Amino acid sequence: EPEVTQTPSHQVTQMGQEVILRCVPISNHLYFYWYRQILGQKVEFLVSFYNNEISEKSEIFDDQFSVERPDGSNFTLKIRSTKLEDSAMYFCASSQQGYGNTIYFGEGSWLTVV
Amino acid sequence: DQQVKQNSPSLSVQEGRISILNCDYTNSMFDYFLWYKKYPAEGPTFLISISSIKDKNEDGRFTVFLNKSAKHLSLHIVPSQPGDSAVYFCAASGAQGGSEKLVFGKGTKLTVNP
Repeated sequence: EPEVTQTPSHQVTQMGQEVILRCVPISNHLYFYWYRQILGQKVEFLVSFYNNEISEKSEIFDDQFSVERPDGSNFTLKIRSTKLEDSAMYFCASSQQGYGNTIYFGEGSWLTVV
Repeated sequence: DQQVKQNSPSLSVQEGRISILNCDYTNSMFDYFLWYKKYPAEGPTFLISISSIKDKNEDGRFTVFLNKSAKHLSLHIVPSQPGDSAVYFCAASGAQGGSEKLVFGKGTKLTVNP
């Protein structure tokens, strides 16, 4: 069964450093997302991406975050200057269409900022 | 932001019995609802969904019921199996309101005892 794959599974970084989280969405999917879950809290939406541009973003997704689809298969989340509060599990997700379509999640990338 | 509420943090049932997980929502723009199952340190796994034009959707042992007037949905698992033990998240989206993002509840931890 096709799946969303994410790398790395776990990354530890120093506060202030840049981090790039990578994702390979399901191949025929057109909509891509990043969500995150801080330990003990809800899964929260960060950003959605369609047709090579951001279609929606949350208040969390401020100027330190960016997303990119550098080629036909990868989808990346960049955090420019990490803060302690960015420590979370980051989930990439994709769906075939937008509205009313199931969103499939990857296994997550656990980011620890020290 | 409590647009999607799962008021029971945990539920324990005996193997073979029915598990009923509940979810309430406040935003009347939500029109597509999903249930995800999640194990620790893994991504959410899609279980079943329902559109607001329906009041029931069934897939094997899983049935989701939607009561739009009460803004309430429930997931029934019959019969429950020990492998069903996980955290279950209710999620909602409201594309008719212009948003495809999923809003998650806090989750209910289901334990199925052999």
